[in-house]
Amino acid sequence: DAKTTQPTSMDCAEGRAANLPCNHSTISGNEYVYWYRQIHSQGPQYIIHGLKNNETNEMASLIITEDRKSSTLILPHATLRDTAVYYCIVRVALTGGGNKLTFGTGTQLKVEL
Amino acid sequence: DTGVSQDPRHKITKRGQNVTFRCDPISEHNRLYWYRQTLGQGPEFLTYFQNEAQLEKSRLLSDRFSAERPKGSFSTLEIQRTEQGDSAMYLCASSLTETSYEQYFGPGTRLTVT
Repeated sequence: DAKTTQPTSMDCAEGRAANLPCNHSTISGNEYVYWYRQIHSQGPQYIIHGLKNNETNEMASLIITEDRKSSTLILPHATLRDTAVYYCIVRVALTGGGNKLTFGTGTQLKVEL
Repeated sequence: DTGVSQDPRHKITKRGQNVTFRCDPISEHNRLYWYRQTLGQGPEFLTYFQNEAQLEKSRLLSDRFSAERPKGSFSTLEIQRTEQGDSAMYLCASSLTETSYEQYFGPGTRLTVT
């Protein structure tokens, strides 16, 4: 499985953009990058995913470098409720079309007033 | 839609005992996953079902662990002869084929083996 590297922790002021980096230098050409987050004492929550183009949804934007060796998750206007552990994941396709998520240790994002 | 539910939420057991956890996925979700999460770590994949068929098992899943999804709806995860190293949060997730990129996770069952 391709390995991901993320900073252990980051701080962000409420209302500002939070930019969370991830390195995945061993990613192969057809592997997707996924982002999930886990708020304390809850199960993980899907945020966004992409292959090589930048993606945006109602929660966040995902910027993937041209060589696909790294990506950045952007929360455009962070709120206190965005405080969570953010996981960058390289998805492994499973038999029958399922997806294996290998989470790593993630980045603890703390949003402060 | 009540989301993925898991039962029990907490389980304390003595070493050597057997335990069984239940997961009820979101209705009509045909894919179901089990993960295990220890303190300070991200979840680790254990096993995966498509309908009632168990299609993938992690090497982490020793022969003391068994999972079933008999009618393609709810699933059970049983641990036999529990060990202290089995203490963890056991998470269940489900997804639809059409939107398989998004796994919906339950709140987990926290197991403590004393």
